[in-house]
Amino acid sequence: DQQVKQNSPSLSVQEGRISILNCDYTNSMFDYFLWYKKYPAEGPTFLISISSIKDKNEDGRFTVFLNKSAKHLSLHIVPSQPGDSAVYFCAARGGSGNTGKLIFGQGTTLQVKP
Amino acid sequence: NAGVTQTPKFRVLKTGQSMTLLCAQDMNHEYMYWYRQDPGMGLRLIHYSVGEGTTAKGEVPDGYNVSRLKKQNFLLGLESAAPSQTSVYFCASSYLGQGSGQPQHFGDGTRLSIL
Repeated sequence: DQQVKQNSPSLSVQEGRISILNCDYTNSMFDYFLWYKKYPAEGPTFLISISSIKDKNEDGRFTVFLNKSAKHLSLHIVPSQPGDSAVYFCAARGGSGNTGKLIFGQGTTLQVKP
Repeated sequence: NAGVTQTPKFRVLKTGQSMTLLCAQDMNHEYMYWYRQDPGMGLRLIHYSVGEGTTAKGEVPDGYNVSRLKKQNFLLGLESAAPSQTSVYFCASSYLGQGSGQPQHFGDGTRLSIL
């Protein structure tokens, strides 16, 4: 039972264009969402997050959009750069406090072509 | 600034062998986690710890044991390795728990193959 799904295993985008990575979830109790970025042979690093009380959060070239009614979030990267080529994981928080858990999606591999 | 350090980085084991993966963090974080990453599965939580001397089960704990004798270290043990445990293992730490939404800091992973 995959509660957080990234249905696109890979995405290829030209440098300078927009990259849109998608994530769907099934549990309406999730109230906080995070995106992590992972380069080969390295651990994931935090990129950006959004609370369920918001529908948009922006940080430089990265913007995350949340559509609660559709249980869908997306990460927009504008403009895309070759250094953005990595695996992107979305994660959702279930519960709160010390018992809260993060549920990760399967990841989407982004390739930005020069 | 080391952050989260995992040792070893690579290991090949035979079925039935045992081993311990070590995770060390120098950020004085209370919370530590062990994940495994398999193709098409994302990151799945094996065990976690909310402080020195405490451990708790995550999503996929079977076949693993953990210990947190010191605040900075979190050990993951495989008593009798099985091919199904072939995976990349990540350790992570955070000052606050997962429920806070605070980002976790990850190590670079241990690639483990069980033959």
